[in-house]
Amino acid sequence: EVQLVESGGGLVQPGGSLTLSCAASGFSFGNYWMHWVRQVPGKGLVWISRISSDGSYTTYADSVKGRFTISRDNAKNALYLQMNSLRDEDTSVYYCARALTGYFDHWGQGTLVTVSS
Amino acid sequence: DIVMTQSPLSLPVTPGEPASISCRSSQSLLYTNGYYYLNWYLQKPGQSPQLLIYLDSNRASGVPDRFSGSGSGTDFTLKISRVEAEDVGVYFCMQAQDTPHTFGQGTKLEIK
Repeated sequence: EVQLVESGGGLVQPGGSLTLSCAASGFSFGNYWMHWVRQVPGKGLVWISRISSDGSYTTYADSVKGRFTISRDNAKNALYLQMNSLRDEDTSVYYCARALTGYFDHWGQGTLVTVSS
Repeated sequence: DIVMTQSPLSLPVTPGEPASISCRSSQSLLYTNGYYYLNWYLQKPGQSPQLLIYLDSNRASGVPDRFSGSGSGTDFTLKISRVEAEDVGVYFCMQAQDTPHTFGQGTKLEIK
C-alpha cells in the first residue's frame, strides 16, 4: 500500500525556518517525481514545488522561489521541504504528493505550518 | 500561469440525483502526447485530496462508475450520475499541463 506521511510542521515565527519531511513507503520511491502542495485550511490548493525522481531537477512556484528548497533522499525514501524566511502567508497545511505522468495519484495526510509571532 | 475556473462553487444535490461540475482553463490542456492533463480530486471533510479522474476521463482505481469525466481543449466536466451521501466534500480540478500546476477554486457538494 502506498503511504506518504508528512511531519515537521509546527509554530514558527516570521522570518524563521522549518524543514518538512515526507516519508514514503509501499512503492519504489526513487522511480517517481514528487511534489509539495499547500492549503490554507478551508481554502484552495496551491502547488509549490516538484522534484525529479533522481533529484536533479526542481521547480518552484514564484511565491516560494529563493526561500524554499525541495530535496530528496532516495536511500531513505524521504522527501524534504526546507522553508526559510517564513511569512505569515506561508501558514498552511503542506501535502506531499506522488506524481505519475500528468497527475498526482497519492497524497499524504498533510502537516500544518503556522507562521505567527 | 494557467487559470482554472470552476462552477458552480456550491452544489446542493438530492441523493439519487445527478450532478455536474464545470472546469475551464485559460489555455488548452492538451499535452504533446495527445492527452489532456486535467484531473479531478475530491477532498472529503478532514481528509487530504483523493484522485477521482485523471487525464480528463480515466477513473482512478476504486472510484465508482457513477463518476465520469469529459472535455477537451479548455472545457472539462465532472459528472456524478447519482449522488450518494458519501460524495460530500470539495471537488477540485487541477491542470498539470504546465508549471505552476494550478487548481480550480473548488466546488463544495452538499446533500440537500
